[in-house]
Amino acid sequence: GAGVSQSPSNKVTEKGKDVELRCDPISGHTALYWYRQSLGQGLEFLIYFQGNSAPDKSGLPSDRFSAERTGGSVSTLTIQRTQQEDSAVYLCASSSPGTQYFGPGTRLTVL
Amino acid sequence: AQSVAQPEDQVNVAEGNPLTVKCTYSVSGNPYLFWYVQYPNRGLQFLLKYITGDNLVKGSYGFEAEFNKSQTSFHLKKPSALVSDSALYFCAVRPRISGSARQLTFGSGTQLTVLP
Repeated sequence: GAGVSQSPSNKVTEKGKDVELRCDPISGHTALYWYRQSLGQGLEFLIYFQGNSAPDKSGLPSDRFSAERTGGSVSTLTIQRTQQEDSAVYLCASSSPGTQYFGPGTRLTVL
Repeated sequence: AQSVAQPEDQVNVAEGNPLTVKCTYSVSGNPYLFWYVQYPNRGLQFLLKYITGDNLVKGSYGFEAEFNKSQTSFHLKKPSALVSDSALYFCAVRPRISGSARQLTFGSGTQLTVLP
């Protein structure tokens, strides 16, 4: 069956611009996670959605980062006023519950 | 706070030889333990997990991992390595305690290179 999909696969932006990254979880999965993978920091948790509960935003590095999940399915991670240190691969995962299955990621490059 | 240690950044092994990728963890209680593999320019691919029961867990592609509670370790193993096993391997933990965070905490990763 279809796995987790993410778009775009690559995004190059200029410092100060806003970006939106999209995640389509596996159908029926109630939990959705965003992680960031960067050379200096490894794999970091960003935010977690579970059903209709309030999201766990404890991993978001600054108030420039936000995410929403509409209709309990698709999620969008938004980074406002991007900085060079935001350059990383952003990974989305979903689970129902138990094992988290990851998408291919979005590679973000901030120039 | 929970943490995962993968003490080796790089592991090299000859094709056909057994391989071990080490992982130790620090977390309250008995956690859920996972191994993921990442091929170049790809996302993380689930290999195996320990939930409960038999300490030896078998997973995809002939990999297995042994949970050792006393040593708080969860080393990944394979009896006979293939060149195609060359990739970046991540160990991860999640607390088992009800109401605790559900996100994974990852180790820093180990680059496995299988030499022909």
